[in-house]
Amino acid sequence: QLQLQESGPGLVKPSETLSLTCTVSGGSISSSDHHWAWIRQPPGKGLEWIGSMHYTGATYYKPSLKSRVAISVDPSKNQFSLRLSAVTAADTAVYYCTRDRTSTNIDWGQGTLVTVSS
Amino acid sequence: QSALTQPPSASGSPGQSVTISCTGTSSDVGGYKYVSWYQHHPGKAPKLIIYEVNKRPSGVPDRFSGSKSGNTASLTVSGLQAEDEADYYCSSHAVTINAYVIFGGGTKLTVL
Repeated sequence: QLQLQESGPGLVKPSETLSLTCTVSGGSISSSDHHWAWIRQPPGKGLEWIGSMHYTGATYYKPSLKSRVAISVDPSKNQFSLRLSAVTAADTAVYYCTRDRTSTNIDWGQGTLVTVSS
Repeated sequence: QSALTQPPSASGSPGQSVTISCTGTSSDVGGYKYVSWYQHHPGKAPKLIIYEVNKRPSGVPDRFSGSKSGNTASLTVSGLQAEDEADYYCSSHAVTINAYVIFGGGTKLTVL
């Protein structure tokens, strides 16, 4: 069974860059059938798709976040990562990594809370 | 890219059926078959319960069903059970200039 685990700092200062990594086990990140995505949920709000990437390098980002987001994949470590620059308090959220097939988020990590605060 | 429109809340008694709507546009829900529904219990990871409008992943009870008409997708939960109380989110493949995924605002389902 595929498992995903998010990791990274739980606290980031305003204007800095948020960096998270998702480690995939029980399956290969080099699957041609899947994309690897990041989704977040701010406290008390709904789910928000951030973006996804195929291991070949194709990336897709939410238009309103595109200027601040970068997703990368490291097949050698079976990991993928999220970088979100110039963060503000509005970026405080639980961040989930997922396995995606045809815009369907099939498998989810447990999520990690990232707080933006000085 | 505004979120897909869902009612903020829905409710029903055990054994009853409840339908949750998800309204978008021809650029998302109305234009593609890639509409999904997720069940989210607070503190847990969201769980996929419907994909490609009306398909159920293995292990999801057939009490959950999905449909679509025009720009509106729907999730029906039949034979409500206490454990169905959760937040439900729809999502859809979307294309404006580029492709992306858009979520609904979520519906809190209460089992009375």
